[in-house]
Amino acid sequence: EAQVTQNPRYLITVTGKKLTVTCSQNMNHEYMSWYRQDPGLGLRQIYYSMNVEVTDKGDVPEGYKVSRKEKRNFPLILESPSPNQTSLYFCASSPLGRTAGELFFGEGSRLTVL
Amino acid sequence: AQKVTQAQTEISVVEKEDVTLDCVYETRDTTYYLFWYKQPPSGELVFLIRRNSFDEQNEISGRYSWNFQKSTSSFNFTITASQVVDSAVYFCALSEASSSNTGKLIFGQGTTLQVKP
Repeated sequence: EAQVTQNPRYLITVTGKKLTVTCSQNMNHEYMSWYRQDPGLGLRQIYYSMNVEVTDKGDVPEGYKVSRKEKRNFPLILESPSPNQTSLYFCASSPLGRTAGELFFGEGSRLTVL
Repeated sequence: AQKVTQAQTEISVVEKEDVTLDCVYETRDTTYYLFWYKQPPSGELVFLIRRNSFDEQNEISGRYSWNFQKSTSSFNFTITASQVVDSAVYFCALSEASSSNTGKLIFGQGTTLQVKP
């Protein structure tokens, strides 16, 4: 089954404790991206990657890092989480050449930073 | 500047009523794409439809229909004979051809639809 898998789905952590949210897709997509969803703001892009070893900032990259060492994986790293990073996070992928926006989303990871 | 506005924060209807979700967008691009996504209570995002800026034909898919009007920069979504399973948050989104290399979707704030039995 074609899918984008995120882990963990739910996480409560404390300020400053480094964490990683993993994202893996099994569709051989070149493009991957991270969004965060906050009430009243919709979804905003954090980082994206056009292919292995190619990453770039989205609209709200502060406080986050990403890496793309393999095509299927695109982890989101919070080196020192803060309460304003409490949010619902979505990973998404799509093949290059397809019209932008037809993204396949993961099920979301709800993060709470105390 | 690009922007998507969904002015209706929450809508509540009774089952079998028709309901329209409004979406107004702003863009300077002449080529762009518009989307609707559904987010049910389980939280995942489900793709519903994509339209490109050159195709103003309205589309119907079962109980769902979409009205795209470039003259008013609107892309409204109507659910006919709503059902409880339609209860969800609905997002309208815009993708500009000029930023297609970023794959970025610009989302509206979302409209929460509650369909009561």
